[in-house]
Amino acid sequence: QAVVTQEPSLTVSPGGTVTLTCGSSTGAVTSGHYPHWFQQKPGQAPRTLIYDTSNKHSWTPARFSGSLLGGKAALTLSGAQPDDESEYYCLLSYSGARVFGGGTYLTVL
Amino acid sequence: QVQLVESGGGVVQPGRSLRLSCAGAGFSFSSYAIHWVRQTPGKGLEWVALISYDGSTKYYTDSVKGRFTISRDNSKNTVYLQMNSLRVEDTAVYYCARDGAFDIWGQGTMVMVSS
Repeated sequence: QAVVTQEPSLTVSPGGTVTLTCGSSTGAVTSGHYPHWFQQKPGQAPRTLIYDTSNKHSWTPARFSGSLLGGKAALTLSGAQPDDESEYYCLLSYSGARVFGGGTYLTVL
Repeated sequence: QVQLVESGGGVVQPGRSLRLSCAGAGFSFSSYAIHWVRQTPGKGLEWVALISYDGSTKYYTDSVKGRFTISRDNSKNTVYLQMNSLRVEDTAVYYCARDGAFDIWGQGTMVMVSS
């Protein structure tokens, strides 16, 4: 089974920009992996921010965007807010089965 | 109201079985594939299983293959996760989520496997 890798932790300054990445042990991440990005706050169910690489939900703040970057899926936060401090997970599809990354804890400081 | 509601969690001894349910409401349940995702307290998310909209196709993560079975009854708007030969490492909060955009998640149900 594939392994999906994320940075364990990142820090961004308020108002700053940060990019979280999501890599695959099987090679480059493509749109065919249908990358999803989730935000999870303590004690809450995950909430989807981005699906299918770059699509946003109605509740996704405009400051979040998804893309493919250097063979990985990427979640970019532009103009970080204190409320963005959270755990972020990516999810990749492998011909039906899915695999989550280990998560990135983003600190806004 | 569009929602998924899990039930069936509890405390069970290693080697025993448990069946989780995920009931959908407020949308055309039979048109959507449904996932089960679990999370060990304090740890990350782990995708567990997926069932297609009509139940004809199923996928599992390697660690549960042969022990867990996902099924659905569209007449009851419910997806099930039959968990057999439970292990301590299956202890987690189990969520169900709607496929596609993963736009709907349940609140989760806790499964504790302990002697």
